Amino acid sequence: GAGVSQSPSNKVTEKGKDVELRCDPISGHTALYWYRQSLGQGLEFLIYFQGNSAPDKSGLPSDRFSAERTGGSVSTLTIQRTQQEDSAVYLCASSFQRGGHNEQFFGPGTRLTVL
Amino acid sequence: GNSVTQMEGPVTLSEEAFLTINCTYTATGYPSLFWYVQYPGEGLQLLLKATKADDKGSNKGFEATYRKETTSFHLEKGSVQVSDSAVYFCALSPANTGNQFYFGTGTSLTVIP
Repeated sequence: GAGVSQSPSNKVTEKGKDVELRCDPISGHTALYWYRQSLGQGLEFLIYFQGNSAPDKSGLPSDRFSAERTGGSVSTLTIQRTQQEDSAVYLCASSFQRGGHNEQFFGPGTRLTVL
Repeated sequence: GNSVTQMEGPVTLSEEAFLTINCTYTATGYPSLFWYVQYPGEGLQLLLKATKADDKGSNKGFEATYRKETTSFHLEKGSVQVSDSAVYFCALSPANTGNQFYFGTGTSLTVIP
């Protein structure tokens, strides 16, 4: 596709339920990132996939959060037993490594609301 | 380690005013530096970038110069418009560490007519 796509665009769920957020990166991009943006806050790094390397999970806030990337392309971020503080916009980005000039392309985000 | 510090907001300016949003960084080696912009209701998009010292990135009337001596990448525009109202994020990508990015906390700009 032309850009990074994410689905759903909006998700409302009840506290305690599990949710899955999907990201389709730009074809051929080797790196994929998940960020969280809470209301009025900056970008909080969650996880980073680079090619076939083990992902950098250092930003995941708790063990309720996990992510996978299948076939080096599509990624799914899963939040188990959601809490109200998980409400945020979840952003996905992808990039193609070419030396140090690595622009990230962002998707439109998924707005998650936990009631 | 690697980090980005940018000017706290929010910033409110009148149309045609001069804009500066400060950004300083800490990094090893020679990172690439970026400014991203997030317009209301939209996703982040790249505004400009610079990949080596003394480079000047420019786009849409915005400019930023990569200053290694002061480890800065301040964003400037000579005459802002209402349509420039957005949140601006400074970011760096360290050299030789894959594609990891480090973002500042963002600076909200509101331009009033």
